[in-house]
Amino acid sequence: AQKVTQAQTEISVVEKEDVTLDCVYETRDTTYYLFWYKQPPSGELVFLIRRNSFDEQNEISGRYSWNFQKSTSSFNFTITASQVVDSAVYFCALIRANFNKFYFGSGTKLNVKP
Amino acid sequence: DGGITQSPKYLFRKEGQNVTLSCEQNLNHDAMYWYRQDPGQGLRLIYYSQIVNDFQKGDIAEGYSVSREKKESFPLTVTSAQKNPTAFYLCAVNPGQGWTGELFFGEGSRLTVL
Repeated sequence: AQKVTQAQTEISVVEKEDVTLDCVYETRDTTYYLFWYKQPPSGELVFLIRRNSFDEQNEISGRYSWNFQKSTSSFNFTITASQVVDSAVYFCALIRANFNKFYFGSGTKLNVKP
Repeated sequence: DGGITQSPKYLFRKEGQNVTLSCEQNLNHDAMYWYRQDPGQGLRLIYYSQIVNDFQKGDIAEGYSVSREKKESFPLTVTSAQKNPTAFYLCAVNPGQGWTGELFFGEGSRLTVL
């Protein structure tokens, strides 16, 4: 069975602090994709990153970075020098190869205070 | 104006009434999805459709119905059989790249049962 766990329900930080959002997944498949989405207060989910199971290279995009470790089944997301605009709910998700069904974690609400 | 349009944005319903949520897309994508979001539970899949005139139940299909008569439209009906329909409903589309594609989401419809 597939499962995505985001143990942090809510995190509060002060602007300019770094923050890491954790994501742990379960699957017996060898080929799968992992995603992070951002849901601002407006409600629409915005795609941030996709990573396939064969690519464990860390990725950096501006203030965002992602750490994928198959050994611990984790795909963590770090925001460096957080800003108030980063306040949102962040979802981690998994999709199995050859299936069109996404499995979402329960989300982590990030509050960045000025 | 391209993308995914969900309507209405807010909807109030009396108990025992059916209500239909609209999802329209002009992205010419094949796969469309309906998710339900409740606080602290992430996104749960209600129904999905990979092609016109075909759809499959997701994890929580009971009390819901869908149709896919046109590629661009995938309406969701919340029936009176749904015991706890108050929630935020999100429609999504997949670019049709199979299991490698990310989901693109509409802005959601918030349903409240009075």
